[in-house]
Amino acid sequence: GNSVTQMEGPVTLSEEAFLTINCTYTATGYPSLFWYVQYPGEGLQLLLKATKADDKGSNKGFEATYRKETTSFHLEKGSVQVSDSAVYFCALQGGSSASKIIFGSGTRLSIRP
Amino acid sequence: GAGVSQSPRYKVAKRGQDVALRCDPISGHVSLFWYQQALGQGPEFLTYFQNEAQLDKSGLPSDRFFAERPEGSVSTLKIQRTQQEDSAVYLCASSVDTRGEQFFGPGTRLTVL
Repeated sequence: GNSVTQMEGPVTLSEEAFLTINCTYTATGYPSLFWYVQYPGEGLQLLLKATKADDKGSNKGFEATYRKETTSFHLEKGSVQVSDSAVYFCALQGGSSASKIIFGSGTRLSIRP
Repeated sequence: GAGVSQSPRYKVAKRGQDVALRCDPISGHVSLFWYQQALGQGPEFLTYFQNEAQLDKSGLPSDRFFAERPEGSVSTLKIQRTQQEDSAVYLCASSVDTRGEQFFGPGTRLTVL
């Protein structure tokens, strides 16, 4: 079945560092790919999405490109801030998974001032 | 409020008790989803409704779990004879339609002693 594998955390970076969180997926069909974020004490929020191969999703300085050839959707940000500290989830929807979202296990990111 | 709401936010149950968790979706959203998030893990799909019809309940872990949405709006997830392994955060999400963006509620944290 469909699945998502993402980089294990925790990840600790200094402010203004470059961020990459790796995500790969296994899927039949043509799923949409997502990054969700869970800030401390808050609910799950959609950060960005891409619906087809080579699409780039972007939001709040974060980017991820849907790579079908490598089945990847890595999350990147050029210069992280303390306020980016959160748990990040890679996820997919669609293809053989139909409507349900399949999530990775999450990566906890901590940014030092 | 304009978002998805869930109640109670926290629930402590003794092993063997029955619990009922409520979800109020965004008004007008046709699709409603339940997910279970164990500590340190990503959310896992439980079940999904389109209006009042439960179209997929493949993620319910046992016959002790039951969900309903009788009028196509509010939904209740019921867990009978709770076990310690049921301890988790239960998330509800709603979307305009089957493939639309899912908006998540804050979750109900269930602790079974």
